[in-house]
Amino acid sequence: EIVLTQSPATLSLSPGDRATLSCRASQSVRTYLAWYQQKPGQAPRLLLYDASSRATGIPARFSGSGSGTDFTLTISSLEPEDFAVYFCQQRTNWPLTFGGGTKVEI
Amino acid sequence: QPQLQESGPGLVKPSETLSLTCTVSGDSISTSSYYWGWIRQSPGKGLEWIGYIYYTGSTYYNPSLKSRVTISVDTSKNQFSLNLDSMNAADTAVYYCARGSAGDNWFDPWGQGSLVIVSS
Repeated sequence: EIVLTQSPATLSLSPGDRATLSCRASQSVRTYLAWYQQKPGQAPRLLLYDASSRATGIPARFSGSGSGTDFTLTISSLEPEDFAVYFCQQRTNWPLTFGGGTKVEI
Repeated sequence: QPQLQESGPGLVKPSETLSLTCTVSGDSISTSSYYWGWIRQSPGKGLEWIGYIYYTGSTYYNPSLKSRVTISVDTSKNQFSLNLDSMNAADTAVYYCARGSAGDNWFDPWGQGSLVIVSS
C-alpha cells in the first residue's frame, strides 16, 4: 500500500502567516492526491483534489501543488478558522490511504 | 450538499459484530455518480479507509479488513450499512460515513462520525 508521510507534525504560526504543509508518498501517485481539513470534534472536509483543484466553496487562500511523490498545501494568509489538522489522501492505488496529518496551531 | 448521519451502538463487546447505518438526506443513494463509503479514525492508526458500495451493491473493501467487513445498501431507505465482525480493542475508533465521487475516490461530504468503543 502507498504510505503518505506528512510534515511537519505540528506547525505553530500566527494569523496572517503563510503556511506550507508537505505530503510525501512512498511511490508515485501522479496528481491523484487530495487534502482535507479537520477541526476538533468535526469530520474532515475536502479542500483540494487532484493535487491543486479546490473543492466547492473553498477559499482561494488554499492552494496545492506537486506531482509524483511530493506535494504541498499552502495557505497564503492564515485566518483564525484555518487552525486545524490537515490530512492528505491518495487514490492512485488500492487501498485508499491517508497521511498522518499536520496540525496547524496558533 | 447532502447530509449523512451515522447511527449505531457506541459500545461493543470484544468478539461481537459492529453494525452501523448511514442515513443520507438531500441526495439519492441510487446514483451512478457517487458511491458511499466508510472510514474510521483512531489515535493509533489515523484515518483508515474501510470500504465503499455502489447503489448496485458492488463493494470494494480494504484488504486489511476484508475478511471481517460487509457493507450493504438499502435504496428504499436511502441508507447504507457497515458490519464489522470479531471486534477487538484495536477497532475502537470514530467511524465516518462519506460520499465518494465515482471514478475520483475523494470523500465529500462526511457524516459527523460515530464513536465506537470496544470493551467488555
